[in-house]
Amino acid sequence: RKEVEQDPGPFNVPEGATVAFNCTYSNSASQSFFWYRQDCRKEPKLLMSVYSSGNEDGRFTAQLNRASQYISLLIRDSKLSDSATYLCVVNIDYGQNFVFGPGTRLSVLP
Amino acid sequence: NAGVTQTPKFQVLKTGQSMTLQCAQDMNHNSMYWYRQDPGMGLRLIYYSASEGTTDKGEVPNGYNVSRLNKREFSLRLESAAPSQTSVYFCASTRASGMGGELFFGEGSRLTVL
Repeated sequence: RKEVEQDPGPFNVPEGATVAFNCTYSNSASQSFFWYRQDCRKEPKLLMSVYSSGNEDGRFTAQLNRASQYISLLIRDSKLSDSATYLCVVNIDYGQNFVFGPGTRLSVLP
Repeated sequence: NAGVTQTPKFQVLKTGQSMTLQCAQDMNHNSMYWYRQDPGMGLRLIYYSASEGTTDKGEVPNGYNVSRLNKREFSLRLESAAPSQTSVYFCASTRASGMGGELFFGEGSRLTVL
């Protein structure tokens, strides 16, 4: 089993739709969690850190379920500019080890 | 604010040639990383440096060497390039272990080995 797994995608959704991505992690020592966005042929950029209580930033909501070891990202009112690959990233033990999921590609269609 | 800067952005090599990818950060971060990303695959860690003066192997270190020149700079060297090393290379940095901070990435270096 891979350490971090994500919905395989791709997700093709119309503008204005709500879309949710899931990510599961296997290492119970995981302490920090992040969602990154990566545009084609560009570097990953931080979208959100994920906190235990869940957090929201505009149209984006992230949730963490430590008991079930999964993280989710909800995007409301999708925009064309949301089209990208979304990477789930887990940091083990607040240490040096950042583990990346394979990514889920989202295409928002007009 | 430059953040993480990588050079070169593009490079074409012939099999057997050597080259060094340079990375510098101006955020006073302690930890620095080199990743490679291949089509359809996630980022894989090549080497990392927890702090100035230390380096450690990641998931895919074979064929690479690194140098943490000072706190700002972390270079990746290919001694004898192979076609399997054709990839996009990303340098990243973070504050320090134990602080739970996120990774900041450079723009990437696209390497083709013929």
